[in-house]
Amino acid sequence: DAKTTQPPSMDCAEGRAANLPCNHSTISGNEYVYWYRQIHSQGPQYIIHGLKNNETNEMASLIITEDRKSSTLILPHATLRDTAVYYCIVRVGWDYKLSFGAGTTVTVRA
Amino acid sequence: GAVVSQHPSWVICKSGTSVKIECRSLDFQATTMFWYRQFPKQSLMLMATSNEGSKATYEQGVEKDKFLINHASLTLSTLTVTSAHPEDSSFYICSAHSGLAGTSTDTQYFGPGTRLTVL
Repeated sequence: DAKTTQPPSMDCAEGRAANLPCNHSTISGNEYVYWYRQIHSQGPQYIIHGLKNNETNEMASLIITEDRKSSTLILPHATLRDTAVYYCIVRVGWDYKLSFGAGTTVTVRA
Repeated sequence: GAVVSQHPSWVICKSGTSVKIECRSLDFQATTMFWYRQFPKQSLMLMATSNEGSKATYEQGVEKDKFLINHASLTLSTLTVTSAHPEDSSFYICSAHSGLAGTSTDTQYFGPGTRLTVL
């Protein structure tokens, strides 16, 4: 699987949009981009995933660049409960395995 | 949304004993489930892939005789830590695959985790 690069940490203000970047410059054509988050001492929570088109659901939006070498997860209105470690993972469609890196520790401040 | 449960949520046992952890997909069937381990301040590490009705596939370095995995039904996988020792103390998390591979429904859902402490 392609490796991903995420900033180790970022802060954002409550009520503002949080934009989480992820680089995956070696991604191949059949690899999906998945985002999960893990709140302290809990199992990871699925957020969103996409292949090449932008995706939006009730939790977040995923913007994938045209060359697919990077993506951005957008939390439209961050709340204190969004404080978590966010993981960007790329995965081929036929292999269900997820490989977790260090992720980005996001702290939402009041 | 899809829900995965784990039981127990925490367990304390004595060194040398065995501990069983259950992972259930509550509202969907999962042919494939996974077991992860997470040490403090570290990321999740995949231990094994569990396929219903067949033997589990273990990641390199994971002792299959120590971590016994059984996936007897489409909604239940179990992890048994045999002859547990203090170094096995960790946060064990399972996940279950849902949806069609390579589609917008292709997703993995995680349980809440089980904290194991071996004294």
